[in-house]
Amino acid sequence: DVKVTQSSRYLVKRTGEKVFLECVQDMDHENMFWYRQDPGLGLRLIYFSYDVKMKEKGDIPEGYSVSREKKERFSLILESASTNQTSMYLCASSLGGSPYNEQFFGPGTRLTVL
Amino acid sequence: AQSVTQPDIHITVSEGASLELRCNYSYGATPYLFWYVQSPGQGLQLLLKYFSGDTLVQGIKGFEAEFKRSQSSFNLRKPSVHWSDAAEYFCALSGGSYIPTFGRGTSLIVHP
Repeated sequence: DVKVTQSSRYLVKRTGEKVFLECVQDMDHENMFWYRQDPGLGLRLIYFSYDVKMKEKGDIPEGYSVSREKKERFSLILESASTNQTSMYLCASSLGGSPYNEQFFGPGTRLTVL
Repeated sequence: AQSVTQPDIHITVSEGASLELRCNYSYGATPYLFWYVQSPGQGLQLLLKYFSGDTLVQGIKGFEAEFKRSQSSFNLRKPSVHWSDAAEYFCALSGGSYIPTFGRGTSLIVHP
C-alpha cells in the first residue's frame, strides 16, 4: 500500500512564526503536491514538485515556499505565519509518466495560527 | 483551460436509497476523470477513474460512474447507500498535465 504521511495531524502556531509541514511518501513517486483545503473552496494547489529540487507554483503560492531535497520528502514552509493561513493542509503524491496516475493523499495537517 | 463543476454542495439521502452525485467538466480533449472520497478527518481516497474504454466504470465500495461525452459529465452512483458513505466527494480532471483540477466537493449526509 502506498503511504503518504504528514508530520502532524494538528498544529497550533503564533502569528509570525516560521512553520514547517513535512510530507513523506514511500512509493518512489515522482510527483508531490501541497494543497490547502477550506470549507466551500475545495482543494487549492499551493505548490507542485515533479522531481527532486524541482517545483512549480500552484494557484495560491503567496506566503508559502517548499523544499524537496529528497525524492520521498516534500516540505511546505510558512515563512511568517498569519491567521489567514489557518486551514487544513493536504499532501499528495503520484507516479510520473501519465496524467492517468491517481494521487495518494496524506491524512492532512490542521493548522491553527493564533 | 479546464474546469470541474460539482453543482450540489450538499446531498442528503436515506440509508438504503440510491445516490447520484453530479460532476460536469470543461476540457477541449478527452479528459482523465477521477472521483475521490474524503471521510471526516482523513485525506482523499480514490474511488474510481476513467480515461477511455467502457464508459461505465466500477470502483471500490460499490460505486460506479458513467462518462457521457455529449453532456460533459461524469456522475457518480451507488444503488444503496450505507451510513458509512457519509463523506465529502470530489470529482477531478487531469488534462495533459500531472496537475488535476478538483471540483469544490459534495458533502453527502446519510439519514438512518
